[in-house]
Amino acid sequence: ILNVEQSPQSLHVQEGDSTNFTCSFPSSNFYALHWYRWETAKSPEALFVMTLNGDEKKKGRISATLNTKEGYSYLYIKGSQPEDSATYLCAFINTGTASKLTFGTGTRLQVTL
Amino acid sequence: GAVVSQHPSWVICKSGTSVKIECRSLDFQATTMFWYRQFPKQSLMLMATSNEGSKATYEQGVEKDKFLINHASLTLSTLTVTSAHPEDSSFYICSATRVLSYNEQFFGPGTRLTVL
Repeated sequence: ILNVEQSPQSLHVQEGDSTNFTCSFPSSNFYALHWYRWETAKSPEALFVMTLNGDEKKKGRISATLNTKEGYSYLYIKGSQPEDSATYLCAFINTGTASKLTFGTGTRLQVTL
Repeated sequence: GAVVSQHPSWVICKSGTSVKIECRSLDFQATTMFWYRQFPKQSLMLMATSNEGSKATYEQGVEKDKFLINHASLTLSTLTVTSAHPEDSSFYICSATRVLSYNEQFFGPGTRLTVL
């Protein structure tokens, strides 16, 4: 059983704050790490697909880094806005399991005015 | 692009009945579709993987006779929960991949099943 953990479980920040959360995963047999953003009553939306150690990806105010040797990825949100409120999921793929995603339980972010 | 729909979005049924959930890729052909379930405060757990025209591959602990998956075309997969019982109440969500997407999965909005 692959262990993918996310922390914190939930986070409450004010508009304008920058924040970050962590996804940890097995450091062996790494293939890819995905980040998804899941708003209530909507479909999870892919943010990043990360494949190489040291990868840094950015989409607007959101960015992510990847360390496959130590088994963690950080997601950063700069200047949080209320529309960033969602659950952020990471999902791990290891070699030999094709496209099978193993998800963490997510970090629930709430941004208030 | 890459929109996946799921129907119904919620369903309530009596114990012993069967429920069918549809997953459609609306604007692309899906090479593979996946079915997940999520219990409260837990992560999405993969139930099965299906490719068009072939039998689904079920994860360990998932009963294939209980959760029937049909993937008749490149845009449609169905999950039938047969003889549903209250313990089958859960959130079911599908996803699909397309060619050359580096395993990126496109998710439907999910179906909330409540079995009375």
